Amino acid sequence: DVVMTQSPLSLPVTLGQPASISCRSSQSLVYSDGNTYLNWFQQRPGQSPRRLIYKVSNRDSGVPDRFSGSGSGTDFTLKISRVEAEDVGVYYCMQGTHWPRTFGPGTKVDIK
Amino acid sequence: EVQLVESGGGLVQPGGSLRLSCAASGFTFSSYSMNWVRQAPGKGLEWVSYISSSSSTIYYADSVKGRFTISRDNAKNSLYLQMNSLRAEDTAVYYCARGRVVEGYWGQGTLVTVSS
Repeated sequence: DVVMTQSPLSLPVTLGQPASISCRSSQSLVYSDGNTYLNWFQQRPGQSPRRLIYKVSNRDSGVPDRFSGSGSGTDFTLKISRVEAEDVGVYYCMQGTHWPRTFGPGTKVDIK
Repeated sequence: EVQLVESGGGLVQPGGSLRLSCAASGFTFSSYSMNWVRQAPGKGLEWVSYISSSSSTIYYADSVKGRFTISRDNAKNSLYLQMNSLRAEDTAVYYCARGRVVEGYWGQGTLVTVSS
C-alpha cells in the first residue's frame, strides 16, 4: 500500500500569517493517464471532510484562493497564504492513484 | 444540489451485522463511482471500499475484506455497505463519498459502535 506521511502533525499558526503542510507518498502518484491524483481535504471540528484541492494544484469550487497546492511525484505541499480563524481544523492529503486509496495521518491547524 | 445521506448506523455487539445505506440525489447516480470512508473516534480518515458505476469493479481495504460487502442500486440511487463479523475496531463514523478518486461530495456520516 502507498503510505502517505504529513508534516508537521500539529501546526499552531498566527492569524494573518502563512502556513504550509508537507505530504509525501511512498510511491510516485503519477497515474498511467499522466495525471497525479493527490487531493487535500479540510475537516473542521464536527464537520465532514471537504475537498480543497484535487490533482495536486486545482482548487475546488468555493475554496478561497489563499489555499494553494503544489508538488509532483512523491512530494506535495498545501499552503495557506494568510490563515483565518475559519481555517482551524485537520488537513489530510489523500492519494487517488493506487489501490487501496490512502490518507495521510492529518495535520491539526489551530490558532496560537 | 448534490446530496449524500447515510443511514443505518447504531450500536451492535461484536460479531454482529449492520447494513449501511447512502441515499444520493442531485446528480446522475448511475454515472458515478462511489466509496465508503470511515473515521474512528478522534482518529484520521480510512478508505474502506469502492464500487464503480456499473458495479463491475469493487475494491476493499484489507481491514474489511471478507467481512464487508459494498453494493449499489442505481434504480434507487442508493449505495450500501453490508458489514458482518463486526469488531470493536470497526467503531467509526462511516461516510459515503462520490467519485473514483474521492471527490468533494461526502455525506454527513453515520456512527457505528461495536460494543458489548
